Amino acid sequence: AQSVTQLGSHVSVSEGALVLLRCNYSSSVPPYLFWYVQYPNQGLQLLLKYTSAATLVKGINGFEAEFKKSETSFHLTKPSAHMSDAAEYFCAVTSDTGRRALTFGSGTRLQVQP
Amino acid sequence: DGGITQSPKYLFRKEGQNVTLSCEQNLNHDAMYWYRQDPGQGLRLIYYSQIVNDFQKGDIAEGYSVSREKKESFPLTVTSAQKNPTAFYLCASSIGASSGNTIYFGEGSWLTVV
Repeated sequence: AQSVTQLGSHVSVSEGALVLLRCNYSSSVPPYLFWYVQYPNQGLQLLLKYTSAATLVKGINGFEAEFKKSETSFHLTKPSAHMSDAAEYFCAVTSDTGRRALTFGSGTRLQVQP
Repeated sequence: DGGITQSPKYLFRKEGQNVTLSCEQNLNHDAMYWYRQDPGQGLRLIYYSQIVNDFQKGDIAEGYSVSREKKESFPLTVTSAQKNPTAFYLCASSIGASSGNTIYFGEGSWLTVV
C-alpha cells in the first residue's frame, strides 16, 4: 500500500520568505509524486509532478520540488512567498502497480503574512 | 472550453434520500475518479473507472454507487446507506491508465444533510 505524510497541517510565512512544505511517501515500487494546490471552494490544480525523469521538478508559479529516494521525500519549495500563494497544498502518490489512482496526504494550509 | 463539469455545486439531502452528483468531461479521457474531501483529512478515493463499463471501489465505497455507461460521464449516487455524507465531492479524470498521467479535477460539489 502507498501512503503520503505531510508534516504540518498549517504553515505560516512572511511575504518574501522561503516556502517549504514537507511531504514523505511510502511505496514499495517506484512512485509517481504530485503536488496540487486548492483555493477555497475550488477543485485542485496541479503544481508539478515527478515521473522518474529529473529529480528536481519545476512547476507553475515558481514552485519546485526535489525527489529524494534515500529520504523518501518530495518537499515543495518556493524561494519567495507571495500573498497569492495562500491556499491548501496536497501531496499525492501513485505507481504503475496495483491501484492507479492518487493517494493524497492530509494537506498543508499555507498562510502568507504581509 | 475543455474541462470537467460537476453539478450541482450545492446539494441538500434529507435523511433516507438518495442523491446523484453529476460529472461530465469533454477531455476525451478514459479514466475518471470520485474523491471525498473532509476538513483535515485530505481527499479519499470513493470509486474510479479506467474504461467505459468498468469501475473499481476505492477506500470508502460503502454507501456510494457509480455507473460508467459513457466515456464522458461518471455520476456518483450517495445512497441512504451513507450515514455521514456531508462533505465536498471532487470528480477527476486522466487520459489513460498510466500512473504518470496528470489527473485533472472539477470544481467540486458540496453535499449537506438537512
